[in-house]
Amino acid sequence: ILNVEQSPQSLHVQEGDSTNFTCSFPSSNFYALHWYRWETAKSPEALFVMTLNGDEKKKGRISATLNTKEGYSYLYIKGSQPEDSATYLCAFYGYKLSFGAGTTVTVRA
Amino acid sequence: EAGVTQFPSHSVIEKGQTVTLRCDPISGHDNLYWYRRVMGKEIKFLLHFVKESKQDESGMPNNRFLAERTGGTYSTLKVQPAELEDSGVYFCASSQDLTGTGEDYGYTFGSGTRLTVV
Repeated sequence: ILNVEQSPQSLHVQEGDSTNFTCSFPSSNFYALHWYRWETAKSPEALFVMTLNGDEKKKGRISATLNTKEGYSYLYIKGSQPEDSATYLCAFYGYKLSFGAGTTVTVRA
Repeated sequence: EAGVTQFPSHSVIEKGQTVTLRCDPISGHDNLYWYRRVMGKEIKFLLHFVKESKQDESGMPNNRFLAERTGGTYSTLKVQPAELEDSGVYFCASSQDLTGTGEDYGYTFGSGTRLTVV
C-alpha cells in the first residue's frame, strides 16, 4: 500500500490571497507525480505531471514544486480567485497511479 | 477530440440489485483504469486494462465486481449484488502511456458515475 498524503484536507482562502498545500509520497520507486484539479460533477483535470527532482511547473497563477528525495510536492495558488475553488488531487506513480485524498480549496469573495 | 465518457452519471439502486457502469475511453488509448472514491477518502485504484486484457485487478474489492473491456474499446463494471458500502463515485480514466508523462500529459478522466446503494 502506497501512502500518498495531502494536507490540509481543506482550506478557506480570501479572494486575492495566496495559498499553498502539500502532497507527500514515498521517496522510493518514483516515476512521476501528478496534480489534478477536480470540481464536483466534472472530470479531474491534469494540471501538472512532474518527473524530475527540483522540477517547478507553472500554469497561470498555479505552480508546483517537486522534491523526490524527501518525497513531497507543494502546490501554490497566487492571488486566489473564486474559480480556483476545487479539490486538488495529487497522485504518485510508482508502479501504478496512487492518489491522495485531496485538498479542498474554497475561495471566498 | 471526445474525452472519456461515463454512463450513467448517477445511479440509485437498492441493496441486492445489479448495476452496470460503462466507460468509453479516448480512441487509441490502450490503457483504461477504473477508480473509486468513497466519500471524503482518496480515489482508490480498482483495475487496469491494457487493450482487452486485465493487467492489474488488485484493487477490486471482491468477486461482486466484474469488469470487462470488449475488443479493447469500451469497458463495463458490473456490481452484483450491490451492497451499501459500494456507494461512491466510480471514475474511469484512459492514457496512452502508463506513467502519464507522454504527450497526453496525465491520465484523462471521465466525470464519474455517482452510485448510491440504499
